[in-house]
Amino acid sequence: QKEVEQNSGPLSVPEGAIASLNCTYSDRVSQSFFWYRQYSGKSPELIMSIYSNGDKEDGRFTAQLNKASQYVSLLIRDSQPSDSATYLCAVNYGQNFVFGPGTRLSVLP
Amino acid sequence: ETGVTQTPRHLVMGMTNKKSLKCEQHLGHNAMYWYKQSAKKPLELMFVYNFKEQTENNSVPSRFSPECPNSSHLFLHLHTLQPEDSALYLCASSQRTSGQGSYEQYFGPGTRLTVT
Repeated sequence: QKEVEQNSGPLSVPEGAIASLNCTYSDRVSQSFFWYRQYSGKSPELIMSIYSNGDKEDGRFTAQLNKASQYVSLLIRDSQPSDSATYLCAVNYGQNFVFGPGTRLSVLP
Repeated sequence: ETGVTQTPRHLVMGMTNKKSLKCEQHLGHNAMYWYKQSAKKPLELMFVYNFKEQTENNSVPSRFSPECPNSSHLFLHLHTLQPEDSALYLCASSQRTSGQGSYEQYFGPGTRLTVT
């Protein structure tokens, strides 16, 4: 069974700090990786997608992929209280998608 | 309307009722998805439609019946549900299901379903 694992948290960081969110996946054939943000009572919102090993930056967000270690991470620089949410890692297998349980992030003012 | 819309936003139904959830995407995408999100469980992919053809059915009970009349509309027909089916049902769409950059999914606001 294909699995995606995340630390459920909560992860608490002070405002202005770097938040680091991690995700591991079980199947080496995965090609596409995604990070979503979900506020309480809302639907998931796409933050980043990454397909190749290395880093991908978009504003305050950086996604990092290491396929050899089957590991993908999301860094949030200059964290703001508005970043407090649950962050979902998703992995694509063909036409199937598997989501992790999410990591709850709390940014303290 | 923009993005992905879903109706109704909230639904309460008895176990013997029949109801339908509707999803519409205004993004020009060709793939549409149904997900179930239960409390304390990860998002579960239920069905995938690509160019109106069902390409994935992740062992979903037959009391859930999807319908995709065209690439912009997706329905989930519900009948004889159980209380454990109470959850947030999310619809998503993506540009297509092949090629890099094409799997990015955009979600609708969801339908909060309660089965009594």
